[in-house]
Amino acid sequence: DAGVIQSPRHEVTEMGQEVTLRCKPISGHDYLFWYRQTMMRGLELLIYFNNNVPIDDSGMPEDRFSAKMPNASFSTLKIQPSEPRDSAVYFCASSISLGQVGYTFGSGTRLTVV
Amino acid sequence: SQKIEQNSEALNIQEGKTATLTCNYTNYSPAYLQWYRQDPGRGPVFLLLIRENEKEKRKERLKVTFDTTLKQSLFHITASQPADSATYLCALVQNSGYSTLTFGKGTMLLVSP
Repeated sequence: DAGVIQSPRHEVTEMGQEVTLRCKPISGHDYLFWYRQTMMRGLELLIYFNNNVPIDDSGMPEDRFSAKMPNASFSTLKIQPSEPRDSAVYFCASSISLGQVGYTFGSGTRLTVV
Repeated sequence: SQKIEQNSEALNIQEGKTATLTCNYTNYSPAYLQWYRQDPGRGPVFLLLIRENEKEKRKERLKVTFDTTLKQSLFHITASQPADSATYLCALVQNSGYSTLTFGKGTMLLVSP
């Protein structure tokens, strides 16, 4: 298995533009997580899905953020409109359980909003 | 408030020595505690999991201890090597309902030859 695949690896965009981050989880993993990492706040959970259904989106900072999982092999995280404070590394992770086994993380998308 | 605290200062040790990293938590009752390694520009990689009723777990040169009375986990790397240099993150799963992993900010380990 190629692991969790995220794209793009890097994204530079202007303030106000729409940004879409993509993730392909490991086949057979029922849980998919979106995390954001910054120096100040560390890794923060934004949202997670179970069997393609969003379960907890309480970590999504505001309505500018949305996430979808149309099928078991694809998820997107969208920011519209983007702001400079959204600059961070966004990670997608997948797992067969919520916490009884480890999560497998992708390599992340480094987002810079100028 | 809930906190997961790891030493923000980098730990510098010499090759061959044992590295010990600390994870302290406040206002959590963790069912599971996990340790991850993160290299620059990469995602975290899972290393070890320890359950609330376990005191110690080992995997090759790695050892994790879990003291629920002290609310602390220690992560040891024996016979450390320069290739062990990375940031190490601890993460907890709360012992209630549908809880996900909450991460500490990590401690950077630097192993010099």
